[in-house]
Amino acid sequence: SQQGEEDPQALSIQEGENATMNCSYKTSINNLQWYRQNSGRGLVHLILIRSNEREKHSGRLRVTLDTSKKSSSLLITASRAADTASYFCAQGTGRRALTFGSGTRLQVQP
Amino acid sequence: DARVTQTPRHKVTEMGQEVTMRCQPILGHNTVFWYRQTMMQGLELLAYFRNRAPLDDSGMPKDRFSAEMPDATLATLKIQPSEPRDSAVYFCASGLVLGAREETQYFGPGTRLLVL
Repeated sequence: SQQGEEDPQALSIQEGENATMNCSYKTSINNLQWYRQNSGRGLVHLILIRSNEREKHSGRLRVTLDTSKKSSSLLITASRAADTASYFCAQGTGRRALTFGSGTRLQVQP
Repeated sequence: DARVTQTPRHKVTEMGQEVTMRCQPILGHNTVFWYRQTMMQGLELLAYFRNRAPLDDSGMPKDRFSAEMPDATLATLKIQPSEPRDSAVYFCASGLVLGAREETQYFGPGTRLLVL
């Protein structure tokens, strides 16, 4: 069963707006990763944040991690139509393979 | 530009037939993963290998699925006999895992399987 859950399941915004997706998990982690999946494609790694980090940036992406709440958020600023995709969080525990959540489907309207 | 390759990209077969999916991981990666993705179940881990040795195949139906790594450049996933409920997209991913730290996984484009 999947350990992580993304929220919301689906999100529709206008181009230029910010998109925020949340991820909750249940076990202690070494790191948390975010992946993007365009329709019909494989997952692409976006960003990795370690358990001793609280915030990380990569271009228009900002990831936060709150280990006390077992949650993470992914913020995409100034969204573009090309950001339309599904976004998954994945927990790395050091004990087995990554555990992926169920994903957030983001639709950015041009 | 190193990437994971998978063949075939699409497969349509009839129930009862054997299906073999192949994956070439990125050179130098020591861990290979097989996932299955469906609308209902999402992304499920089927099995993974480290240094060609199977580490976990608990997500795989043992009676019909088998996964192997004949060498470091090839991973295979076989279904025999195939059933309609096996219809899904099967992804291979590879990564370089050092010690107990999971690092980035690199996914292939997937094999879209339809069992009639």
